Amino acid sequence: GENVEQHPSTLSVQEGDSAVIKCTYSDSASNYFPWYKQELGKRPQLIIDIRSNVGEKKDQRIAVTLNKTAKHFSLHITETQPEDSAVYFCAASTGNQFYFGTGTSLTVIP
Amino acid sequence: DSGVTQTPKHLITATGQRVTLRCSPRSGDLSVYWYQQSLDQGLQFLIQYYNGEERAKGNILERFSAQQFPDLHSELNLSSLELGDSALYFCASSAGLWGSGELFFGEGSRLTVL
Repeated sequence: GENVEQHPSTLSVQEGDSAVIKCTYSDSASNYFPWYKQELGKRPQLIIDIRSNVGEKKDQRIAVTLNKTAKHFSLHITETQPEDSAVYFCAASTGNQFYFGTGTSLTVIP
Repeated sequence: DSGVTQTPKHLITATGQRVTLRCSPRSGDLSVYWYQQSLDQGLQFLIQYYNGEERAKGNILERFSAQQFPDLHSELNLSSLELGDSALYFCASSAGLWGSGELFFGEGSRLTVL
């Protein structure tokens, strides 16, 4: 089955700086890559996703890039704010089910 | 509000006991997924149902079972509970069979086994 690795496990940045979280996947059949944000004690919520026919997608301060050849995708958050502090999960889907990474705990220091 | 309802929100029980967690998916969603999240851990996929049928199985223990009913709500049954089963159990739903659309998560059921 698919194996998704996510790095780093924890990340601290100063407010206003950028944050980058990286994921790799193993199954070349994976074609859908969502990112979920989970605030403390809350449910995971989709923040952005990308499909395999697209190399990059941007939504305001958040962007995701996908390199199918290298089988990795990344989440980029620019101009970070304290409310960006949360755990972020990447996921890959072959179409059968979702495989989640182990999560990155992001702390934005005011 | 995701539209996915999970009950109970909190549950405290003893080792060896059995509990049932319930999930009502978003209106119109046919797929239901169950995930286990232990303290400071990721989302471990347990099982998926689509329109009443089991479609995919993850790392679900034999002591655990689930089903999806004709009205599309789902139940996760956990039996012979152990301390290590303490976790947050999420239910999620999506519209289609295939994992190529957004997953909508419920608020979770926090299980504490003493």
